[in-house]
Amino acid sequence: DVKVTQSSRYLVKRTGEKVFLECVQDMDHENMFWYRQDPGLGLRLIYFSYDVKMKEKGDIPEGYSVSREKKERFSLILESASTNQTSMYLCASRTGGRETQYFGPGTRLLVL
Amino acid sequence: SQQGEEDPQALSIQEGENATMNCSYKTSINNLQWYRQNSGRGLVHLILIRSNEREKHSGRLRVTLDTSKKSSSLLITASRAADTASYFCATVSNSGYALNFGKGTSLLVTP
Repeated sequence: DVKVTQSSRYLVKRTGEKVFLECVQDMDHENMFWYRQDPGLGLRLIYFSYDVKMKEKGDIPEGYSVSREKKERFSLILESASTNQTSMYLCASRTGGRETQYFGPGTRLLVL
Repeated sequence: SQQGEEDPQALSIQEGENATMNCSYKTSINNLQWYRQNSGRGLVHLILIRSNEREKHSGRLRVTLDTSKKSSSLLITASRAADTASYFCATVSNSGYALNFGKGTSLLVTP
């Protein structure tokens, strides 16, 4: 089974802190994604990576950056956390050429 | 950007009944997927239907696709309490990589 893990299930941070969310997949998938999920807004794409060191902005990249130094790991960075970044963050991966995405369990981030 | 919109937003049924959720989308697609999300968890892929397919089955799931109406439906037969979850339809975004999700249908199955 494909396994996508996220470093934390719950995270509480202060406004202005730099926050790192880590995602690791164990199936040698080329593509990885970060979404955020908010009530009434559904899932929105923040960034994705189609290969190591490659990244593309999604629909809502402002305030975020990403890093993909190794194929299995995709990090989401909140440069200076703000309260409007309180959300559920979901990481996903897929192998190139296949449509199905595999999701991690999510990180619920609270920024105070 | 969102592509699919599910209907209804919420659905409450009793165990043993069938649950039907609908999804409408805006642009042409190669395929449409359905995912399930249990409360506070990640999404799990359920089924994918291609644009040249009209109906597909997987266990108690039945998905239909009408490309002329840009709509799909997900039917869960003989629902169980364990089916309680949110259900999302998704289509591939313009990038060809990411998915556009609807806002989901929240299904509650009571014993």
